[in-house]
Amino acid sequence: QVQLVESGGGVVQPGRSLRLSCAASGFSFSSYTMHWVRQAPGKGVEWVALISYDGSNKYYADSLKGRFTISRDNSKNTLYLQMNSLRGEDTAVYYCARVHIAMVIVGANFDSWGQGTLVTVSS
Amino acid sequence: QSVLTQPPSASGTPGQRVTISCSGSSSNIGSNTVNWYQHLPGTAPKLLIYSHNQRPSGVPDRFSGSRSGTSASLAISGLQSEDEADYYCAAWDDSLNGPVFGGGTQLTVL
Repeated sequence: QVQLVESGGGVVQPGRSLRLSCAASGFSFSSYTMHWVRQAPGKGVEWVALISYDGSNKYYADSLKGRFTISRDNSKNTLYLQMNSLRGEDTAVYYCARVHIAMVIVGANFDSWGQGTLVTVSS
Repeated sequence: QSVLTQPPSASGTPGQRVTISCSGSSSNIGSNTVNWYQHLPGTAPKLLIYSHNQRPSGVPDRFSGSRSGTSASLAISGLQSEDEADYYCAAWDDSLNGPVFGGGTQLTVL
């Protein structure tokens, strides 16, 4: 079955960097666009970034202003999120999510999610 | 402030039918498919409805979705205690080049 497992979260000081990983299994990873979505404490769900199935297209939420970089390694079935210049407002649970349909970039239908990894930005 | 607008809360008694609204614009709901998620604290969100009104396998037919213009609705009939959760609508936004979510609706089963 489809499985997504995030890792790399933790406590980090403001201004520092962190890289999250999402290990995928149970499906043809290279055929699916992947997303990062986050939820800050007490807040709603917020989209962060997406990368197309072949890695050629990347889109980001405007609020991130170039601080985050999404990437993938299809040979390792792994999705990444490099987060730089972290701020307190980046504190959240970060989820990786798979779109519902293979070989499609546009859409907001995520049929599989990881359990999330908590990132806490604090001095 | 979320791009899609949902009521912050909703409630109903067991067996009742409740609806949750989601309001957007021509760049998101008006031109792209609407999806709904159920989110229980401490768990991953679950896709409940996709493409306005389609249910993934395993989702009970008590859950239904609809879209009209730039608004959408999620209906839950035969409300059960296990339906108590947060519900989010989502759609692709052509102007922002990415998905947008509603602020979430906390459903309470009285």
